[in-house]
Amino acid sequence: GAVVSQHPSWVICKSGTSVKIECRSLDFQATTMFWYRQFPKQSLMLMATSNEGSKATYEQGVEKDKFLINHASLTLSTLTVTSAHPEDSSFYICSADTGRDRDTEAFFGQGTRLTVV
Amino acid sequence: AQKITQTQPGMFVQEKEAVTLDCTYDTSDPSYGLFWYKQPSSGEMIFLIYQGSYDQQNATEGRYSLNFQKARKSANLVISASQLGDSAMYFCAMSAGGTSYGKLTFGQGTILTVHP
Repeated sequence: GAVVSQHPSWVICKSGTSVKIECRSLDFQATTMFWYRQFPKQSLMLMATSNEGSKATYEQGVEKDKFLINHASLTLSTLTVTSAHPEDSSFYICSADTGRDRDTEAFFGQGTRLTVV
Repeated sequence: AQKITQTQPGMFVQEKEAVTLDCTYDTSDPSYGLFWYKQPSSGEMIFLIYQGSYDQQNATEGRYSLNFQKARKSANLVISASQLGDSAMYFCAMSAGGTSYGKLTFGQGTILTVHP
């Protein structure tokens, strides 16, 4: 398999502040990573595709100015929730695929529970 | 566009019995991948099984098997000999042909509870 590490696992922040979430591929290079959002007991919804060295591709309805994605290296993508509000409280999780023929799956990070107070 | 439908919000099964979790899908792409993931209360996503649209045989991984019926556009997960540790949320997901396995459309999920 492969390992994707996400940090932090949980974070509490004050309304109006920004929070950065990191997603790292530990044992492979990921030119593309994906960010998902999940509300309690609901499905995972794709927010954006993070592309190394270029701009992220956002899904319809996702505010690109609010959810800043940076993929500056082949092993790290970051999601910054800017000017967070209580409605941004959610579970955020990243994934990547290795591009290897033997891996027919994506590998997910552990996820980050964000609470905005 | 792809769509995944899981119509069972919750399922209950007795320990050691088998259980089937339903999943139907819709896509106009002839090439696609179907996945099942398990999500325990910790939130991590655990990959269970994969089925490619061109695979002739149903996928199996230990106690997990995928009942792939292409004409009916269904990809049900069968868990044999349920264990208490199988209690979790289960998601069916799809990737479109030619795209990364990481770009997935998920179903609504099914909460499985295994009773002793």
